[in-house]
Amino acid sequence: DQQVKQNSPSLSVQEGRISILNCDYTNSMFDYFLWYKKYPAEGPTFLISISSIKDKNEDGRFTVFLNKSAKHLSLHIVPSQPGDSAVYFCAASVKSGGFKTIFGAGTRLFVKA
Amino acid sequence: ETGVTQSPTHLIKTRGQQVTLRCSSQSGHNTVSWYQQALGQGPQFIFQYYREEENGRGNFPPRFSGLQFPNYSSELNVNALELDDSALYLCASSPGQGAGVHYGYTFGSGTRLTVV
Repeated sequence: DQQVKQNSPSLSVQEGRISILNCDYTNSMFDYFLWYKKYPAEGPTFLISISSIKDKNEDGRFTVFLNKSAKHLSLHIVPSQPGDSAVYFCAASVKSGGFKTIFGAGTRLFVKA
Repeated sequence: ETGVTQSPTHLIKTRGQQVTLRCSSQSGHNTVSWYQQALGQGPQFIFQYYREEENGRGNFPPRFSGLQFPNYSSELNVNALELDDSALYLCASSPGQGAGVHYGYTFGSGTRLTVV
């Protein structure tokens, strides 16, 4: 039961351009959504989050958009830099007998110089 | 401040054996979550501990159990190991049971468990 789906296994973008990573979810009870970045041999690193009552959150080069009616969120990185090359995980949280965070399978981003 | 530390980094066990993985949470963090990440997949939530009590669990059988100690460090125990238990096990901490979902968890680098 994949409640959080990242349908693109990989994405390649030119340095300086915009990277758009997409995520779909099925559980309407999720109340927070988060994006994490993971480099090889390291644990995931938190990037940005958004509450389900908002539709946009911005932090520097990173912006997350939430479309609740479509159960879809996206992460925009602009401008993209080679150091952004990593695996990006979308995650969603729900408070059900404690807090549970469900991760997607990840999208590998390649930013070409 | 130190981050999340996990030990050991790599481990090989035989099917049917038991294993204990350890995690030291980041200073000031009283909540610890454990995740299993199989190859090519995202982390799967195993359970969360807040102030030494389990307060959330994913779809994992009872042979996956845990402990949290007064200093907020934690252990993940897996009994009767199966080949499918081979994965990267990640520990994550946060300064409160709700903080992780708002401000993100701090993850360790993980323990790579191989069951043969």
